[in-house]
Amino acid sequence: AQSVTQLGSHVSVSEGALVLLRCNYSSSVPPYLFWYVQYPNQGLQLLLKYTSAATLVKGINGFEAEFKKSETSFHLTKPSAHMSDAAEYFCAVSPANTDKLIFGTGTRLQVFP
Amino acid sequence: EAQVTQNPRYLITVTGKKLTVTCSQNMNHEYMSWYRQDPGLGLRQIYYSMNVEVTDKGDVPEGYKVSRKEKRNFPLILESPSPNQTSLYFCASSLDPSGRVPSTDTQYFGPGTRLTVL
Repeated sequence: AQSVTQLGSHVSVSEGALVLLRCNYSSSVPPYLFWYVQYPNQGLQLLLKYTSAATLVKGINGFEAEFKKSETSFHLTKPSAHMSDAAEYFCAVSPANTDKLIFGTGTRLQVFP
Repeated sequence: EAQVTQNPRYLITVTGKKLTVTCSQNMNHEYMSWYRQDPGLGLRQIYYSMNVEVTDKGDVPEGYKVSRKEKRNFPLILESPSPNQTSLYFCASSLDPSGRVPSTDTQYFGPGTRLTVL
């Protein structure tokens, strides 16, 4: 079965430091991949998505992610963390030829001053 | 304003008392879906609908029902709620002009409904 794994349920960084949130997927055929963010007491909103075009995808709020087929990874990065980035981040995969969206278990990002 | 709305936002109920959580979108989206979010488990899909009168089970459909009589509405029904259905529920919608949902299209999420079943 298709799945997505997020390494690290909690990540803490200092303001201004690099943010790296890890996501690996299992699929024999490259799927479509998404990162969603959930701010406290809110629903999810899309950060960025990979749909088989450019492997480096830029999203909102300075985030980007790189699709690496050889590593089956889609890690999310941001060069310099801001206090407002504190939230929970979800990686999601939509396997080819399906109408499903499968979410990872989420990574909570804390940003310290 | 384009949005997905859910009601109620918070609900405390007792075991066995039927309840309905409403979901409505004003974006003319074809695809709608319900998820539940539990700590350590992420979001899991309950049911989804690709169009009016078309619904399918997601990964955790047991204990839930849905209907899609109109394009804009997709209510979630718990006929006999149990404590293990205590969770945070999200409705989402998306438009897939290619007809292949929801793979490439952004899903828009409602604000969530926090349900407690005693």
